[in-house]
Amino acid sequence: DIVMTQTPLSSPVTLGQPASISCRSSQSLVHSDGNTYLTWLQQRPGQPPRLLIYKISNRFSGVPDRFSGSGAGTDFTLKISRVEVEDVGVYYCMQGTQFPLTFGGGTKVEIK
Amino acid sequence: QVQLVESGGGVVQPGGSLRLTCAASGFTFSNFDIHWVRQAPGKGLEWVAIISYDGTYKFYSDSVKGRFTISRDNSKTTLFLHMDSLRAEDTAVYYCARSCGGDCYPGLDYWGQGTLVTVSS
Repeated sequence: DIVMTQTPLSSPVTLGQPASISCRSSQSLVHSDGNTYLTWLQQRPGQPPRLLIYKISNRFSGVPDRFSGSGAGTDFTLKISRVEVEDVGVYYCMQGTQFPLTFGGGTKVEIK
Repeated sequence: QVQLVESGGGVVQPGGSLRLTCAASGFTFSNFDIHWVRQAPGKGLEWVAIISYDGTYKFYSDSVKGRFTISRDNSKTTLFLHMDSLRAEDTAVYYCARSCGGDCYPGLDYWGQGTLVTVSS
């Protein structure tokens, strides 16, 4: 199985300041079809997860442009350019390149 | 709008069985693969199973293989998860989630609110 490792575990951020989350996979996420199936999800307190980013850097419908994804191969990053109150929650990376789908352990974004 | 509503959770003894249901609406159910994903209390997300749009393809995590069965009834736009030989470590909120069609595949674009399964004597 592909192991997904996220850092940091927790990210206290001042409102309006940027936040960055890293995700590393135990093997390359490049699929035989040439795509890299790395997604990011947000889970606000008490809510189900929500899709933010797919295929490394594509924002899902309705996701604010302060969220951006980057990376390649085994190393990926989610950035929030200016953290807002509604961004508080846990962020997960997930690989869909190979079954079983696997998630990172999560990064908690909270306001300082 | 797209809606996924899980039900069937509850308290069950170790070794017992339970069937979860996910009722879908607001989209053409028979066109989409659907997943079950679970989350133990205070923990992260764990993928459980997937069923293809037509029910012909199913895949399970090793932790549930041989004990859980995923199925669907496209005529009733409903997804099921039959869980046997339940263990304490199966205690979690169980979510059904739709697999994206189109460019965002295989992202999980819509999720239900989840149903809590507690395995305890």
